[in-house]
Amino acid sequence: DVKVTQSSRYLVKRTGEKVFLECVQDMDHENMFWYRQDPGLGLRLIYFSYDVKMKEKGDIPEGYSVSREKKERFSLILESASTNQTSMYLCASSTGQGFTGELFFGEGSRLTVL
Amino acid sequence: GDSVTQMEGPVTLSEEAFLTINCTYTATGYPSLFWYVQYPGEGLQLLLKATKADDKGSNKGFEATYRKETTSFHLEKGSVQVSDSAVYFCALGTSGGSYIPTFGRGTSLIVHP
Repeated sequence: DVKVTQSSRYLVKRTGEKVFLECVQDMDHENMFWYRQDPGLGLRLIYFSYDVKMKEKGDIPEGYSVSREKKERFSLILESASTNQTSMYLCASSTGQGFTGELFFGEGSRLTVL
Repeated sequence: GDSVTQMEGPVTLSEEAFLTINCTYTATGYPSLFWYVQYPGEGLQLLLKATKADDKGSNKGFEATYRKETTSFHLEKGSVQVSDSAVYFCALGTSGGSYIPTFGRGTSLIVHP
């Protein structure tokens, strides 16, 4: 069964802390994505990557960075967490160039910043 | 650029009622169209898709038809169940060049017994 695994389902952090959210996929997919989901705003793309060591900014990259050192792993980093980054974070992957196929999502990581 | 517009929710129905969730899109080229579902506490999963005009996607009693003339991909189900309560996202993707799918804002469906 194909799988996208996010390292933590629930995290509570303090303002100013550095936060790592990790995502691993076992489908040998080229493309990986990080979204945040907030009520009334739907899914907003933070960053995506279409190859190892490649990254592209999405719609809301400010305050975030990413790392993709291996094909199967895509990490989202909050250098200095702030309360407005309290949200649900979703990782996804897909295969192929362009996007005509399915996105596979992890179960999400709910981050609370106090 | 590409965009997807969904009806705002929540949509509240009684069990066995008929469901329609509207989705319209704008896109350059010829997109593939998708419906994803997010059950409470979970990530999104693909519900159905259609890759060309007049195709009908179907799964778990849900259906949607790719209407190029009206640029629509409305989701329908003849008789909803309490277990269908979830958030539904319409999405599109185009081939070549772009790796980024475009999502609607999601429509929450609440089904009462």
